[in-house]
Amino acid sequence: QSALTQPASVSGSPGQSITISCTGTSDDVGGYNYVSWYQQHPGKAPKLMIFDVSDRPSGVSDRFSGSRSGDTASLTISGLQAEDEADYYCSSYTGSGTLVVFGGGTKLTVL
Amino acid sequence: QEQLVESGGNLVKPGGSLRLSCAASGSSFGDSYMSWIRQAPGKGLELISYVRGSGTYTYYAASVKGRFTISRDSAKSSLFLQMNSLRAEDTAVYYCASPSVRGIIAYWGQGTLVTVSS
Repeated sequence: QSALTQPASVSGSPGQSITISCTGTSDDVGGYNYVSWYQQHPGKAPKLMIFDVSDRPSGVSDRFSGSRSGDTASLTISGLQAEDEADYYCSSYTGSGTLVVFGGGTKLTVL
Repeated sequence: QEQLVESGGNLVKPGGSLRLSCAASGSSFGDSYMSWIRQAPGKGLELISYVRGSGTYTYYAASVKGRFTISRDSAKSSLFLQMNSLRAEDTAVYYCASPSVRGIIAYWGQGTLVTVSS
């Protein structure tokens, strides 16, 4: 069982927006501004999409945005495109020796 | 260009041992955190071990503690994972990754597959 809770799957049509939630506790998501989101295509390594809750690394489309309310972080993808179909994982700094915990992952299907 | 390249994955019998290596290139890895993150088939990501700085501090997840040992050779920009007493549940793709002090992982290797089966 993963430390952070994500929905197993979400879906949307091209051009639509979707949001993936990531629920933790005050010991991780709610306690630090260090939530990250990763995109993983089949057979590939994860790719950093969002860090520090809402910042985007250079080169990541501004269609990807992050936010947080209390112990729940969210990833929103607007203007869905076929290439967005992938697995998405959230993670959070924990402040303990564990360093970082992950969510169980969400499979995004673009209909 | 920062790059991490893993090697050493293989098919091994239960109870066997395996040593994974990760070659790091680029200026970002110096004395930074280095970690091993695994992903079992069809499952999520699990940070199983990391080393901080020159190796004075190491962390192990409960699932591997006492069986796996992480080490690094800063002079050779290499990271290692010695895996002993392997079990079927250790079957996974093992990624070498470099987390920041805030747990942000910008750099990942391509992964190396470890299969534990008789």
